[in-house]
Amino acid sequence: QKEVEQDPGPLSVPEGAIVSLNCTYSNSAFQYFMWYRQYSRKGPELLMYTYSSGNKEDGRFTAQVDKSSKYISLFIRDSQPSDSATYLCAMGRSNDYKLSFGAGTTVTVRA
Amino acid sequence: GAVVSQHPSRVICKSGTSVKIECRSLDFQATTMFWYRQFPKKSLMLMATSNEGSKATYEQGVEKDKFLINHASLTLSTLTVTSAHPEDSSFYICSARDPGGFGQYFGAGTRLSVL
Repeated sequence: QKEVEQDPGPLSVPEGAIVSLNCTYSNSAFQYFMWYRQYSRKGPELLMYTYSSGNKEDGRFTAQVDKSSKYISLFIRDSQPSDSATYLCAMGRSNDYKLSFGAGTTVTVRA
Repeated sequence: GAVVSQHPSRVICKSGTSVKIECRSLDFQATTMFWYRQFPKKSLMLMATSNEGSKATYEQGVEKDKFLINHASLTLSTLTVTSAHPEDSSFYICSARDPGGFGQYFGAGTRLSVL
């Protein structure tokens, strides 16, 4: 079993729809959680970073963490074609700085 | 926001040559940098952790003599792929740890093609 599970998709939605992405994890030692966006042939870009259960909002993006269920989510409201990318969840422990990544979900927002 | 510059973005080389990739944190000091490898449509695979002024820590299965890492300053880490072969062709990405937390900021990546 992988430490971090993420459905690779692909996921296709119409412009303006809500995009819902999620990851599950098995290691209860993970304490901080991130979402990255990666465009083709580019490095990942940090979107959201949280270390507690609950919701965190930043513009059109909302990150949710449920540590009891070992489940994290990212919601993108009012999606735009420019949101078309691969979204990677990542998580880490506080005793080192390494990150464990999900496989990434490829999202296409249709105009 | 934190900016990490990676150079070159693309390199094509002949089998047997060595290639150096640079990773610089432009607006912050990075005591810890990471090197990843990414295969097409796959996630990032951590190769090694680079700490300024000390030897890099390699992940299991990564050949340290093949992938030489140097982190000589707080803003620069380099990865040298020695005696590159076609199987080393890949997308290599560096990241630098946010000095104030656990986040990592990534470079744009280097696409290496070994002929």
